[in-house]
Amino acid sequence: DFQLIQSPSSLSASIGDRVTVTCRASQNLKNFVNWYQQKPGKAPNVLIYAATTLQGGVPSRFSGSGSGTDFNLTISSLQPEDFATYFCQQTFSTSWTFGPGTKVEI
Amino acid sequence: QVQLVESGGGVVQPGRSLRLSCAASGFIFSSFGMHWVRQAPGKGLEWVAVIWYDGSVKYYADSVKGRFTISRDNSKNTLDLQMNSLRVEDTAVYHCAREVVLDATGNSWFDPWGQGTLVTVSS
Repeated sequence: DFQLIQSPSSLSASIGDRVTVTCRASQNLKNFVNWYQQKPGKAPNVLIYAATTLQGGVPSRFSGSGSGTDFNLTISSLQPEDFATYFCQQTFSTSWTFGPGTKVEI
Repeated sequence: QVQLVESGGGVVQPGRSLRLSCAASGFIFSSFGMHWVRQAPGKGLEWVAVIWYDGSVKYYADSVKGRFTISRDNSKNTLDLQMNSLRVEDTAVYHCAREVVLDATGNSWFDPWGQGTLVTVSS
């Protein structure tokens, strides 16, 4: 089974802060990791796919890094609209597992 | 625009059945694999099931295997999830999602997602 652990589970930050969320996998996922943003009552939206590729239309303050078992999502300068929950996902195996999420709060 | 709209949610007693539907528009539905993902109230995302673009392959999460059946009708651009023997722990918002695949590498991601339909299993 492909388990994903995200850290931290929640964080408090201010406008303009640099924020990094980590996703650690139990097995080598190569670069088959995606990041999603979800706001309350809304469907998730993809931010980053294939670990490092920014989805079209997503602001450039979002970036992804990592490969193998360790992956990061970084927001270079937190904006008011970025307060949300962020999930990593693996698509290496046919279980399409999600991480438990990281809630970014003011 | 590309859109997915779920329907069919509601309140159902444990042990009963419910059928969810997802109507797709704005893209060539028959070219994409489709997934169901659920989210229990206040919890994270749990992948439920997938069906290949042509319906030839289906996979299920262990938590629903043998109880849920995913299907599609490419002539009607619809995706369904038949849920039998429902349990209290199946209570969640159920989202359908399109899987986009990079042919060159095999990388894939879910985009877009539907807004979801709420299923509540309670006596």
